[in-house]
Amino acid sequence: GQQLNQSPQSMFIQEGEDVSMNCTSSSIFNTWLWYKQDPGEGPVLLIALYKAGELTSNGRLTAQFGITRKDSFLNISASIPSDVGIYFCAGQPDDHNFNKFYFGSGTKLNVKP
Amino acid sequence: NAGVMQNPRHLVRRRGQEARLRCSPMKGHSHVYWYRQLPEEGLKFMVYLQKENIIDESGMPKERFSAEFPKEGPSILRIQQVVRGDSAAYFCASSPRLTGAGEQYFGPGTRLTVT
Repeated sequence: GQQLNQSPQSMFIQEGEDVSMNCTSSSIFNTWLWYKQDPGEGPVLLIALYKAGELTSNGRLTAQFGITRKDSFLNISASIPSDVGIYFCAGQPDDHNFNKFYFGSGTKLNVKP
Repeated sequence: NAGVMQNPRHLVRRRGQEARLRCSPMKGHSHVYWYRQLPEEGLKFMVYLQKENIIDESGMPKERFSAEFPKEGPSILRIQQVVRGDSAAYFCASSPRLTGAGEQYFGPGTRLTVT
C-alpha cells in the first residue's frame, strides 16, 4: 500500500518560534491535506492542497504542495501554546480512486510558554 | 448545525463480546468513512459507505468487522468477538459528496478498550 513518511515525529519548541514539518510519499499524490488533532478529539482540517506547487495559508499556517507531487510541508509561524497537538498529513494518490486517503504517522508538537 | 456525532465516546468490552459503534454524519452528508487509529499512529482507512451501499471496504479486516449505513439512522461499525488487538480509537468522517479530499469532517471518535 501507499506509504507516507512524516517528519519529525515530535518537536519541542519555545513559544514564538517557527515550526516546519513535512511529508513524503512513495508515489504521486493529487491532493495533500494537513490536519491537527487535539487529545481525545477527531482531526480538524487545517489546509487542503490540490495542485502541484500550490502554496496556501491559513492564518499563521502555510502549506505547500511539492512540485514533484510526492511531498508537502507545513509551516507554523510564531508558535503559541494552543498550537500544541499532533499534526497529520494526509494524501490521495493519483490512481483515480477517490475513496481512499492515507495518513502520515503524525508530528507531535510541544510548545513551551 | 451539529457536526459529525459518534457514540459512545468510550466503550469497554471483554474479549469475545460484540462492539457497535455509531456515527451520525453532518446534516446533508451522504458519504461516510470509517478510520482506525492506534496510539501514536495515523489514521488507517477502513471503509467508505454511501446510503445503503458499501463502496469500498478494502481496509476492513476480512473477519469479524462489518459496516452499514442504512437509509434511515446512523452508520454502524460492528466488531464481533472482539480481541485485545481491536483496542483503538475509531473515527468516522462524513462528506457531502464524492470528494477530492478536503471536505471530510471528522467526528470525535469512539475509544474502544478490550479487556
